[in-house]
This record gives sequence, structure tokens and C-alpha cells, in this order.
Amino acid sequence: GQQLNQSPQSMFIQEGEDVSMNCTSSSIFNTWLWYKQEPGEGPVLLIALYKAGELTSNGRLTAQFGITRKDSFLNISASIPSDVGIYFCAGHQTGANNLFFGTGTRLTVIP
Amino acid sequence: GAGVSQSPRYKVAKRGQDVALRCDPISGHVSLFWYQQALGQGPEFLTYFQNEAQLDKSGLPSDRFFAERPEGSVSTLKIQRTQQEDSAVYLCASSLNTFFGSAHEQYFGPGTRLTVT
Repeated sequence: GQQLNQSPQSMFIQEGEDVSMNCTSSSIFNTWLWYKQEPGEGPVLLIALYKAGELTSNGRLTAQFGITRKDSFLNISASIPSDVGIYFCAGHQTGANNLFFGTGTRLTVIP
Repeated sequence: GAGVSQSPRYKVAKRGQDVALRCDPISGHVSLFWYQQALGQGPEFLTYFQNEAQLDKSGLPSDRFFAERPEGSVSTLKIQRTQQEDSAVYLCASSLNTFFGSAHEQYFGPGTRLTVT
């Protein structure tokens, strides 16, 4: 399947700091989505992006669809303890039925 | 409204046993997906239904895996003669459809954690 690489693999940050993470691929995607997964739960959709260059916000979260269509970025501003979890990017390609998921970024927020 | 639900949440099976995992998608969602998530990994696609039709089963790892959605709502993933490598979280997701607008926004259930001993 398609390989989506996320970086960093893990982050330890102080409460109140901003966070940036990214997702890259060797292939083009026509949709990018960002999910958050907490222990024992399924992924929860945070943001969906449909156009190259698109910048979309959801509260303290902002995500961008890279102009090459091979990458996406997620920023979290003013982190709080409940932001802890694993963040996955996921991409959809024309003609495919499923989403391809990244390797995940594990976020730890230190109060 | 209710989200995607899955049952059981946890299942322990002895190697060689058959298991059946259930998914109740969001009401009215046409598309239903099954994914397998190994520990420390992202979800990987298994199979896809549009209504009752199984349109893609390219991700099923072997012929021991079988999925159905006979009435276009509830779906069951069955694994026959379970092996230790089948141990994983099995996630179900649904979406409104796959052709228009926010089609690719898939909403996930909590998953079933399968442990094969």
C-alpha cells in the first residue's frame, strides 16, 4: 500500500506550547484528513482538506494541504493536557475506496 | 446522533477458533469500511461495502477473513481458524457516500481488540 510518513514520531511538550507535525508521501493524494486516537478508542476526525494549498482551522487546530499534494501539516496552538494522543494523517487517492494512514505522531503534553 | 458502534470491545480467542466481530455504522451511511490496526501502527484497509455490496476486499489478508453486510446496515467481519498474527484492533468506519462532497470523511468506531492465544 501507499506509505505516508509522519514526523516527528513522538513529541514531549509543555502545556501552552504550539505543536507542528507533518505527513509526507511519494504519491499524490486528492484528500488529506487528520485524526486523533486515544488509548482504547478509534480515530476521531479532526480536519478534512480537499484542495491543494487549502488551510483549514478547527479551534486551536490548523491544517494545510501541501501545494504538491504530497504532504500535509497540522499545527496545534496553546496545547492543553487533553491534546495527548496519537495523531494520524490519512490520504485518499482518486479511484481508491479506502484511506491510507500515516505512521502516527504520539503527543505528550506536560502540565 | 449515535456514532459507529462495535462489539465486542475485547475478544480473546484460542488459536484455531472462529470469531465474529460486529459493526453498527452511523444511520444512513452508505459506505462501510473495515480496517486492521496492529500495535503501534496506523489502520490498514481490509474491505469496503457500498450498501450491501462488497466492492473491494483487496486488503483481506487471507481467505480466512470474510465480511458481510447483508441488509446494507450492520456488518460482520468473520475470521476463521484464528492465528496469533490475527491479534490486532479491528476498526469499522462509515461514511455518507464515496462520490460527493465530504465523501471521504470516514467516522470510526471504538474498535474490537482481538487477542489470539
